[in-house]
Amino acid sequence: GDSVTQMEGPVTLSEEAFLTINCTYTATGYPSLFWYVQYPGEGLQLLLKATKADDKGSNKGFEATYRKETTSFHLEKGSAQVSDSAVYFCAHTKGSYDKVIFGPGTSLSVIP
Amino acid sequence: EPEVTQTPSHQVTQMGQEVILRCVPISNHLYFYWYRQILGQKVEFLVSFYNNEISEKSEIFDDQFSVERPDGSNFTLKIRSTKLEDSAMYFCASRGLANTGELFFGEGSRLTVL
Repeated sequence: GDSVTQMEGPVTLSEEAFLTINCTYTATGYPSLFWYVQYPGEGLQLLLKATKADDKGSNKGFEATYRKETTSFHLEKGSAQVSDSAVYFCAHTKGSYDKVIFGPGTSLSVIP
Repeated sequence: EPEVTQTPSHQVTQMGQEVILRCVPISNHLYFYWYRQILGQKVEFLVSFYNNEISEKSEIFDDQFSVERPDGSNFTLKIRSTKLEDSAMYFCASRGLANTGELFFGEGSRLTVL
């Protein structure tokens, strides 16, 4: 069935380090792909999206490219900041009513 | 910027009691959803709602759960007789007609069942 796999957390990085969180998905058809972020004590915010193969989503210095050949949507940022500390969820749409299926989340801590 | 609002932000209830969680989706959205997140765990789909009826529900959404859109703005989730394992954060989401699929989430309602 449809699913999302993310790298295991928690992940701890030093400030200004390169940030990457891997995501692969299993889905039929051509889903839209998303990264959502959840800051401590808050709800889910859309970070970026890509709706077709080879699209690159970007926002706030984060990027992810829709790779259909490898069914991946890895999240990257060139220089991590302490304020990036959060839980990151990779997700994709499924079905005619486009419910969104979430991965398990990756907890990221960026330390000064 | 339009947003999804949820009330209450936190509710504590006794096991067996009925709970209603309320959501006001973004005004021109037509698709509505409830998700839940047990503390520290993944975000799980509960139910989707379109055109005044349930369009899909998960295995979690058993007979103890129901949803309703009682007027033009509110979207509610009712748990008829709460269990300890219903303790979780419940997120409401909505989506417009644009077919890029992203959902807009509320801040969540934390339910604690004692």
